Amino acid sequence: AQSVSQHNHHVILSEAASLELGCNYSYGGTVNLFWYVQYPGQHLQLLLKYFSGDPLVKGIKGFEAEFIKSKFSFNLRKPSVQWSDTAEYFCAVNGPGGADGLTFGKGTHLIIQP
Amino acid sequence: NAGVTQTPKFRVLKTGQSMTLLCAQDMNHEYMYWYRQDPGMGLRLIHYSVGEGTTAKGEVPDGYNVSRLKKQNFLLGLESAAPSQTSVYFCASSYGSSPYQNIQYFGAGTRLSVL
Repeated sequence: AQSVSQHNHHVILSEAASLELGCNYSYGGTVNLFWYVQYPGQHLQLLLKYFSGDPLVKGIKGFEAEFIKSKFSFNLRKPSVQWSDTAEYFCAVNGPGGADGLTFGKGTHLIIQP
Repeated sequence: NAGVTQTPKFRVLKTGQSMTLLCAQDMNHEYMYWYRQDPGMGLRLIHYSVGEGTTAKGEVPDGYNVSRLKKQNFLLGLESAAPSQTSVYFCASSYGSSPYQNIQYFGAGTRLSVL
């Protein structure tokens, strides 16, 4: 079974600080990788995804993530965070079958202080 | 275009009561999913469906049943609710199984408390 580890459960940053959230997955085959964001009181929204090709992917709101196959990692980054980035961030993976659902990490609660 | 709609948004049950959560999508998606979200646990897959009339178990299926009688609807049932089923339930749908088709779109969630 796949598993996803997010290293930081709670992160507090000041506005304009740089952000990196770690994500490692266990599956050794072909994977599809996702970062979802959940703003307070809202549903999950897709931030970005990686299926194949360029390992550096860009998403919405200035976020990017880098897929490093040798490290089984898919870390999320943003050069300068804003107060509005306060949210819960989830890394998720599914295997080549695709249809049998996503495996999520436990999430990182990010708080941006003005 | 409403996307994925879940009803109800909130519900309080007593132990042993039953209820059905409804998920409806208007995107003509083939695949639908039910997840539960618990603090510190992320989202875990309960059941999923790869098409009308099909269902399959996910990671945490015990205590739940599902039905997909119509392509646009995916129902999650609790026959005899237990306090351990207190959670936030999310429904999701996707178009297909290939990578670009399997991007999942989520509903707003149902917050369920079982006393």
